[in-house]
Amino acid sequence: DVKVTQSSRYLVKRTGEKVFLECVQDMDHENMFWYRQDPGLGLRLIYFSYDVKMKEKGDIPEGYSVSREKKERFSLILESASTNQTSMYLCASSLHRGGTEAFFGQGTRLTVV
Amino acid sequence: TQLLEQSPQFLSIQEGENLTVYCNSSSVFSSLQWYRQEPGEGPVLLVTVVTGGEVKKLKRLTFQFGDARKDSSLHITAAQTGDTGLYLCAGASGGYQKVTFGTGTKLQVIP
Repeated sequence: DVKVTQSSRYLVKRTGEKVFLECVQDMDHENMFWYRQDPGLGLRLIYFSYDVKMKEKGDIPEGYSVSREKKERFSLILESASTNQTSMYLCASSLHRGGTEAFFGQGTRLTVV
Repeated sequence: TQLLEQSPQFLSIQEGENLTVYCNSSSVFSSLQWYRQEPGEGPVLLVTVVTGGEVKKLKRLTFQFGDARKDSSLHITAAQTGDTGLYLCAGASGGYQKVTFGTGTKLQVIP
């Protein structure tokens, strides 16, 4: 059974903390994505990567960075967490560079207090 | 930025009823996906449609892609409580087939 696994389901962090969200996929996909999901706004793309050490900004990259040191692992970093980054974060992988037919992780609900 | 509007935003129905949810845009898409997301989980792909006018069936779910490839609908026949969830459409376009997600329809099926 194919899987995308996110390291935490729930996280509570303080304003100003550095936060790492980890994602691992076992499908040997080149393309990996980080989205955030907020009510009424759908999924918005933060960053994506189409190869090891490669990264591209999505639609809302401000306040975030990413790391892809290995093909199966894609990390999202909040350099200095703020309350407006409280959200559901979803990692996905896909055979397709644009993100079609993606496999998603279970999500990390991050609360910044 | 391309927008995908889904309607209705919320839908609460009795088990056994039929329903249709819509996904509309002013943009043309090369393909369109539908996902279902259960509470506390990530979205799961249900179907991809690629040809204008295409109809696909998945048990009690019927998906249609508009002739102009700007819109899509999902019809559920005889809804069951297991259909409860957030339904998301996602359209792909451009050279890399970049995906844009819709705003979602939250469906609740009451026993």
